[in-house]
Amino acid sequence: QVQLVQSGAEVKKPGSSVKVSCRASGGTFRDYGINWVRQAPGRGLEWMGGIVPVFRTSVYAQKFQDRVTITADDSTTTAYMELNRLTSEDTAVYYCARAWMRRFDYWGQGTLVTVTS
Amino acid sequence: QSALTQPPSASGSPGQSVTISCTGTSSDVGVYNYVSWYQHHPGKAPKLIIYEVNKRPSGVPDRFSGSRSGNTASLTVSGLQAEDEAHYYCNSYGGNNNFLFGGGTKLTVL
Repeated sequence: QVQLVQSGAEVKKPGSSVKVSCRASGGTFRDYGINWVRQAPGRGLEWMGGIVPVFRTSVYAQKFQDRVTITADDSTTTAYMELNRLTSEDTAVYYCARAWMRRFDYWGQGTLVTVTS
Repeated sequence: QSALTQPPSASGSPGQSVTISCTGTSSDVGVYNYVSWYQHHPGKAPKLIIYEVNKRPSGVPDRFSGSRSGNTASLTVSGLQAEDEAHYYCNSYGGNNNFLFGGGTKLTVL
């Protein structure tokens, strides 16, 4: 059974950065890719990017290409999502999810990031 | 790539069936068998209920079914129950390790 546990809520100022972690247990971490999905208030789910399994490279949605960095530390089975140049539009719940055979079968509990001056 | 298109809302009475559509393009929904559906209750993590167009993970009731015709995928919920009231999102693989979500459909059980 795979479990994904995310770091706690964050409050950030506009223009700053946030780094959210996602610790995985169960399964073989290197064999699956952790992806990040966010949901802004009143909006739908939005795929941000993720780690490509086996190759361990990162891929990003075009919208976030120049502002997000997704990494994975195999030694601690933890994935990270760092988002830069935050604005109020980035206020959202951020989820990590395991991508297995191109479906998101396990999800973290979500991390609320609030961007406010 | 644009988001997949879903109706913003759907509704049905207990026991009835409701179908939610998800329209993409010939570059995503229409070409890859990697269409999945997620149930999302407020304050909880999304839950996978359909993968690879029409397969159900273990533990998901067979009241949930998926299908696809051309560039449009569909989720059907039969025998509606009160606990089915939630937001539903479709997702498709879009090639080059990219994924697309639909805008979401709020299902109301009347």
